[in-house]
Amino acid sequence: QVQLVESGGGVFQPGRSLRLSCEGSGFTFSSYGKHWVRQAPGKGLEWVAFISYDGSKKYYADSVKGRFTISRDNSKNTLSLQMNSLRVDDTAMYYCADPDFSNYYFDNWGQGTLVTVSS
Amino acid sequence: SYEVTQSPSLSVSPGQTASISCFGDKLGNKRVGWYQQKAGQSPLLVIYQDNRRPSGIPERFSGSNSGNTATLTISGTQAMDEADYYCQTWDSSHWVFGGGTRLTVL
Repeated sequence: QVQLVESGGGVFQPGRSLRLSCEGSGFTFSSYGKHWVRQAPGKGLEWVAFISYDGSKKYYADSVKGRFTISRDNSKNTLSLQMNSLRVDDTAMYYCADPDFSNYYFDNWGQGTLVTVSS
Repeated sequence: SYEVTQSPSLSVSPGQTASISCFGDKLGNKRVGWYQQKAGQSPLLVIYQDNRRPSGIPERFSGSNSGNTATLTISGTQAMDEADYYCQTWDSSHWVFGGGTRLTVL
């Protein structure tokens, strides 16, 4: 499977912006869609966003729509999540994940990058 | 928006069968996956399309989905199965997770 490595996490103030990245290894990166999924400390999984293999389709959870933007650069095997107007409840581990062949499930996950939003 | 719910916790003894349920309106009409997440690790897909096991997942993991309930069954539960388990489905271009069930093997 393709290895996924997230980066860009840290401590940020409410209202600020940040950009997460997910780098994938292997030549199949550009062939599949990609997801971001997050998990608040001690809480469950929450799907955040999806982008199709070519970037033509993007879907967002209601909780982030209008604030977050998912994008990808297939020439660099990189997935990104631009996070604007950060809120305290955006605090979470953010995972990038590959969908399976049906695009219904997540069959490959990165290790995650932790985002803490605090004043 | 569509929602699925899970009981927060379940305890079983080693060797027993663990049944973890996931509830949603007409969930049987949707496809369900299940994930195992051990402490400090990323989630792992253990069941997809209601009852199919990915390569490498032990046969003791099985699934079913009918009516309003999907169930993950772990037969002959082992200590290594202690983890959080999440159901997941798809609805209207949104991927939806249940709140998770913590399985304790004691």
